[in-house]
Amino acid sequence: DAGVIQSPRHEVTEMGQEVTLRCKPISGHDYLFWYRQTMMRGLELLIYFNNNVPIDDSGMPEDRFSAKMPNASFSTLKIQPSEPRDSAVYFCASSLHPNTEAFFGQGTRLTVV
Amino acid sequence: GENVEQHPSTLSVQEGDSAVIKCTYSDSASNYFPWYKQELGKRPQLIIDIRSNVGEKKDQRIAVTLNKTAKHFSLHITETQPEDSAVYFCAASWTNAGKSTFGDGTTLTVKP
Repeated sequence: DAGVIQSPRHEVTEMGQEVTLRCKPISGHDYLFWYRQTMMRGLELLIYFNNNVPIDDSGMPEDRFSAKMPNASFSTLKIQPSEPRDSAVYFCASSLHPNTEAFFGQGTRLTVV
Repeated sequence: GENVEQHPSTLSVQEGDSAVIKCTYSDSASNYFPWYKQELGKRPQLIIDIRSNVGEKKDQRIAVTLNKTAKHFSLHITETQPEDSAVYFCAASWTNAGKSTFGDGTTLTVKP
């Protein structure tokens, strides 16, 4: 398996634009996580899915953020409208079961200007 | 919910010395404690983990100890090398939580 795949690797967008980040988890993994990493706030869990169902979205900062998992091999994190404070590295991770290793993707570095 | 505190936030050691990073957790139900290493510009990757039925686990130069009574666990790196320089994250979770709660990270610098 190629591991968790995220796209794009880098995204630069203007304030107010819609941004969509994509993730393909490892095949067979039941859990998918979206994290945001910044210097100020560290590694924050935004939302996670179990078997494509959102379980906990308490980390989603505001209504501008939304996430979907239409099938077991694809998830999106959307920000609309984007703001400069959304600039961060966004990681997607997947795991086989709860309480097992989380495998992280390469991350998407988002810059909102 | 679970709260994980990690200390120190930065740690600088000479090559060959040992490094210790400590974490405390709040939820006594937590039973899985992984450690991740994140090199500059890279993704976090698991380096070692421990479950609550074990007090210590070792893998070559790294070891993790767990004290369930005190609710703290530690990462020990011996004979440090420059390539050990990275940010290290501890985390804690329990069986039905589905998610791990991460500490704020420790930036380890190993000086040659």
